[in-house]
Amino acid sequence: AQKITQTQPGMFVQEKEAVTLDCTYDTSDPSYGLFWYKQPSSGEMIFLIYQGSYDQQNATEGRYSLNFQKARKSANLVISASQLGDSAMYFCAMREALYSGNTPLVFGKGTRLSVIA
Amino acid sequence: EAQVTQNPRYLITVTGKKLTVTCSQNMNHEYMSWYRQDPGLGLRQIYYSMNVEVTDKGDVPEGYKVSRKEKRNFPLILESPSPNQTSLYFCASSPLSRDLDTQYFGPGTRLTVL
Repeated sequence: AQKITQTQPGMFVQEKEAVTLDCTYDTSDPSYGLFWYKQPSSGEMIFLIYQGSYDQQNATEGRYSLNFQKARKSANLVISASQLGDSAMYFCAMREALYSGNTPLVFGKGTRLSVIA
Repeated sequence: EAQVTQNPRYLITVTGKKLTVTCSQNMNHEYMSWYRQDPGLGLRQIYYSMNVEVTDKGDVPEGYKVSRKEKRNFPLILESPSPNQTSLYFCASSPLSRDLDTQYFGPGTRLTVL
């Protein structure tokens, strides 16, 4: 079963508008972390934002915020005031507790965001 | 500057010709990992290492080897590359701590096997 689901293969947003990228996750581990990465056309993976499962407040980093709804197991990324440079592939990822030893990041399949002028 | 470096960034090779992709980090991280990225599949873990001389298989280890002789280096070895190993490869590192920290990614290596 997929652990991270991103249901939007592609999205368009007008410049300066806000956009929400969806992510749902599946885990039975009480301790986990949720991450969003940006991958521009150049290929590198750029870390954007992190939310821990025990964090009470939604994470924010500049124009990025994470809408964390634990009961619904969703971790949507909100980008405010979109810019042309935001056009990229966005990946949601999860890392479960360290206790098992291996702590890989499990990635969703990504959402390609295109910002239109 | 804290970073993960990979070399080469781009490589075109032929089936069966052994190759090594190097990965190095300067953050003194215990945990290092290799991922491959394929269209429609996202990133999948190949191998990981918890510390020097400690390595183990991830989700897609077939056709790959790794070694961890020094803390900073974690090379990925393809003994006999095949076309299905054409992919974008990422090395990543992170500290091993109670905090579920992010992993820091290298710039990626785009490999084509003809």
